Amino acid sequence: GAVVSQHPSRVICKSGTSVKIECRSLDFQATTMFWYRQFPKQSLMLMATSNEGSKATYEQGVEKDKFLINHASLTLSTLTVTSAHPEDSSFYICSANPQSEAFFGQGTRLTVV
Amino acid sequence: SQQGEEDPQALSIQEGENATMNCSYKTSINNLQWYRQNSGRGLVHLILIRSNEREKHSGRLRVTLDTSKKSSSLLITASRAADTASYFCATEANGANSKLTFGKGITLSVRP
Repeated sequence: GAVVSQHPSRVICKSGTSVKIECRSLDFQATTMFWYRQFPKQSLMLMATSNEGSKATYEQGVEKDKFLINHASLTLSTLTVTSAHPEDSSFYICSANPQSEAFFGQGTRLTVV
Repeated sequence: SQQGEEDPQALSIQEGENATMNCSYKTSINNLQWYRQNSGRGLVHLILIRSNEREKHSGRLRVTLDTSKKSSSLLITASRAADTASYFCATEANGANSKLTFGKGITLSVRP
């Protein structure tokens, strides 16, 4: 199946700093990628749809200035958590759907201290 | 908002037994998919069933879909300890353009 690579897998940052998470499609082109957030023992909550060459579409309640998404190429989308706070600590996962099924990155465990 | 609702939320069985997990949803869908997640990892696609299909098999997995009841079930036969994971159903609504809505998930524990 298709491969989606997410980096880093874990990151610890200080409160107030920004963190960038990368999501790459390794063997296919992805005009659309999806970013999710997952709290412990909970489901995936869609944060935004990343669109290559255009602005991301954010879900209701997700601050676009807080979670910056850039999809500058057909194989790379980035999520930047700006001015991170402890409540932003979570598991962030990206996915791409070259067909109907979704292929997920490995996820990024973000801890803000 | 989350559309899929799985039940039970947690399931513990003995190795060799079958595990049945159910999912209900609310809107019209193009397809329903089941995913597996090991702790702290990304999700792995298991099986997709389209809205015009009623049953699908893949190895030890059997999925059914009842669009009149807006429900699906995932059966894992002859379970193994390695099947221990969280399982999620996800729906692609009509016109959703690949956007998936995930259920809350079921934690399956298979005791050796």
